[in-house]
Amino acid sequence: QVQLVESGGGVVQPGGSLRLSCAASGFTFTSYGMHWVRQAPGKGLEWVAFIQNDGSNKYYVDSVKGRFTISRDQTKNMLYLQLKSLRAEDAAVYYCAKVLSGSYSASDKWGQGTKVTVSS
Amino acid sequence: EIVLTQSPGTLSLSPGERATLSCRASQSVSSTYLAWYQQKPGQAPRLLIYGASSRATGIPDRFSGSGSGTDFIFTISRLEPEDSAVYYCHQYSSSWTFGQGTKVEIK
Repeated sequence: QVQLVESGGGVVQPGGSLRLSCAASGFTFTSYGMHWVRQAPGKGLEWVAFIQNDGSNKYYVDSVKGRFTISRDQTKNMLYLQLKSLRAEDAAVYYCAKVLSGSYSASDKWGQGTKVTVSS
Repeated sequence: EIVLTQSPGTLSLSPGERATLSCRASQSVSSTYLAWYQQKPGQAPRLLIYGASSRATGIPDRFSGSGSGTDFIFTISRLEPEDSAVYYCHQYSSSWTFGQGTKVEIK
């Protein structure tokens, strides 16, 4: 069955960096686009970034452009999100999610999330 | 950016009642590109509806979606205690955005 397992979250100071990972299994990773979606404490869902199945196209929400980088390793079935210049407002649970099909599609499978805390 | 506005903010109903949730978009969304998710405390979101009205795999038929353009509706026909959750609409027509959520409470 499809499994997405995030890791890499933790406590980081403002201005710091972190790399989140998402291990994918149970499906043909190279066939599906992948998202990162975050949820600040007590708040709703916010889309963060998307990478196409072959890694050719990447998209970001405006608030993270130039600071976050989404990437994938097709040989390891891994999705990554590099976070730099972190701000207090980046604190959230970060979820990776697999699209149902294609690029513009709902996300049918989600990981359990990894928590990022930004604090001095 | 397409802004999705959900109403009401909270819905409190009894088991067996019908829940009707609204999602209004700031500009037209192709009905093919509108989804609904359920999220319970401490859990990841779960896809319920995609393409405005198609149920995801394994989703009971008491959950349904409809709508087009800028107005979309999500309905739970007969509430069960386990339906207590926050429900989000999500558009993927132009970039990707979520509504702010509607909390459904079971009395």
